[in-house]
Amino acid sequence: DGGITQSPKYLFRKEGQNVTLSCEQNLNHDAMYWYRQDPGQGLRLIYYSQIVNDFQKGDIAEGYSVSREKKESFPLTVTSAQKNPTAFYLCASSIDLFGLAGGSEQFFGPGTRLTVL
Amino acid sequence: AQSVSQHNHHVILSEAASLELGCNYSYGGTVNLFWYVQYPGQHLQLLLKYFSGDPLVKGIKGFEAEFIKSKFSFNLRKPSVQWSDTAEYFCAVNAHGQNFVFGPGTRLSVLP
Repeated sequence: DGGITQSPKYLFRKEGQNVTLSCEQNLNHDAMYWYRQDPGQGLRLIYYSQIVNDFQKGDIAEGYSVSREKKESFPLTVTSAQKNPTAFYLCASSIDLFGLAGGSEQFFGPGTRLTVL
Repeated sequence: AQSVSQHNHHVILSEAASLELGCNYSYGGTVNLFWYVQYPGQHLQLLLKYFSGDPLVKGIKGFEAEFIKSKFSFNLRKPSVQWSDTAEYFCAVNAHGQNFVFGPGTRLSVLP
């Protein structure tokens, strides 16, 4: 059963702590993405990766970091520098980056809801 | 920079009513267009997509959307909604090789 898994579903952390959100895909997709979803704002791109060991900042990368050591994994770390980390985080993947090969949609994981106390 | 607007923040309909959700984007070049749906407690899933060809696109669960290039619009329609269509709907756009840009979402509530 192919898809994207994110864990955990809910995460609580104290202010000032770093926290890492997991994202794994078995779709054999090259491109992976992290989004943040806030009510009434849609999805905003945090980081994206086209291939292993390569990743780029999105629109709201400050206070976040990522790694892409394996094709199937793209973990996101929310650092203590992120001023407003409480949000719903979505991981996505696509066959190629931003439809470069002519158009491809993104597939999304179930999300992780992070609450910083 | 590209942007996507969705006309309504929250739409409330009775079952069997017709649905049209507006989506407009700002980008002058060739774009790919998408509608995603997020049912309560579930992940975002693709309803339909337009890459090229017939501007009237049919998707899953009886949804369709029409791309009108002159109006920069990609409105989502369904002739008769069901209670199970209650969800949040997101329009998204990307130009080839550029970031996917999502609209703010429209919450649809269907009353039984």
